[in-house]
Amino acid sequence: TAGITQAPTSQILAAGRSMTLRCTQDMRHNAMYWYRQDLGLGLRLIHYSNTAGTTGKGEVPDGYSVSRANTDDFPLTLASAVPSQTSVYFCASGRDSGANVLTFGAGSRLTVL
Amino acid sequence: GQNIDQPTEMTATEGAIVQINCTYQTSGFNGLFWYQQHAGEAPTFLSYNVLDGLEEKGRFSSFLSRSKGYSYLLLKELQMKDSASYLCAVSGRDYQLIWGAGTKLIIKP
Repeated sequence: TAGITQAPTSQILAAGRSMTLRCTQDMRHNAMYWYRQDLGLGLRLIHYSNTAGTTGKGEVPDGYSVSRANTDDFPLTLASAVPSQTSVYFCASGRDSGANVLTFGAGSRLTVL
Repeated sequence: GQNIDQPTEMTATEGAIVQINCTYQTSGFNGLFWYQQHAGEAPTFLSYNVLDGLEEKGRFSSFLSRSKGYSYLLLKELQMKDSASYLCAVSGRDYQLIWGAGTKLIIKP
């Protein structure tokens, strides 16, 4: 089934440690996104990529980095995790960077202690 | 600033009709989306409006008024499986989505 795969599903991480959340899509979508979802808040964009080789900062980029070496993969790295990064992280993709329907991965629940 | 408002929670009865409202203030407008998100799951696409009026898709309909910055999602013949959060999102000037906090819909038998 075509879609987006995220890993890990959940993770508990000690503060100060680094972590990479993986995201792979098989729909040949050009645009990919990382969101975080916190209780009572809307989805907030962390970073995005309109096409392979390019990335951009979203609303809440501090403490996170991304890369887009190819069309399919869009990993999100926390260089030195802090408790405020405890959240559910969703990777999403769209056909292009226009007003397109997004397909979401199942999410990665991260707890930073 | 940019803002999306929708009610935090609504309760409705199985078999009934419910309307979930969304108001928005954004710089630029390239369409409004509704997504459904069941607890612990990913959001999934429900509807897209870019022109004023009503879009109907089975039991779900979505309405848009660009002049009023207003949309609603109408769910008919409610089923228990419709218990979920409903997310309103606007595609702004740069096509990035601005998301509301979501409306949690509770369906009672």
